[in-house]
Amino acid sequence: AQKVTQAQTEISVVEKEDVTLDCVYETRDTTYYLFWYKQPPSGELVFLIRRNSFDEQNEISGRYSWNFQKSTSSFNFTITASQVVDSAVYFCALRPSSNTGKLIFGQGTTLQVKP
Amino acid sequence: GAGVSQSPSNKVTEKGKDVELRCDPISGHTALYWYRQSLGQGLEFLIYFQGNSAPDKSGLPSDRFSAERTGGSVSTLTIQRTQQEDSAVYLCASSLGLGFEGTQYFGPGTRLTVL
Repeated sequence: AQKVTQAQTEISVVEKEDVTLDCVYETRDTTYYLFWYKQPPSGELVFLIRRNSFDEQNEISGRYSWNFQKSTSSFNFTITASQVVDSAVYFCALRPSSNTGKLIFGQGTTLQVKP
Repeated sequence: GAGVSQSPSNKVTEKGKDVELRCDPISGHTALYWYRQSLGQGLEFLIYFQGNSAPDKSGLPSDRFSAERTGGSVSTLTIQRTQQEDSAVYLCASSLGLGFEGTQYFGPGTRLTVL
């Protein structure tokens, strides 16, 4: 089975708190890609990061960081010092190499950052 | 440069009517995808085009759905005899290819409401 699970449906934090969004994936492919997208209230899906299965190096981009662990099939996303503008739905997605490139999305996590 | 564009942004139709949704991919992108986002089903893959290859139609929910891509660029998703369960946001994405360049960039979507 190829599947992405985002167990957290909704998270609410107060501005400046750190928050981690969990993503667990399933695939039998040895080569695959993982993605995070942000969907703000405007509705457009915005690409945040891509990782391939051979690159377990964690990445930091400003207040955003990603922790990829193949041993636990997880690709978690942390926002440090959250801001109101971070309020959105965040999707984790898997693209196994065995398919034609379609993305398999998790159900999304709605993040609300309160001032 | 210009991103993925979709038209119309909103479409209201009556049950049983046919609708056409249009997608203009990012210039130079050879791969084009259609997804559907609905409350109950999340983000679902519908169809994928890559260059001159046969499209991957494995995600189309019924034979009322079809899509074409003319000249390797613009794509039209057609839904015949619309049903209320077709109400959703239809998202189009494009990418340079399937490899590491295969990051999909999404358009703003078309919100379809079937009365």
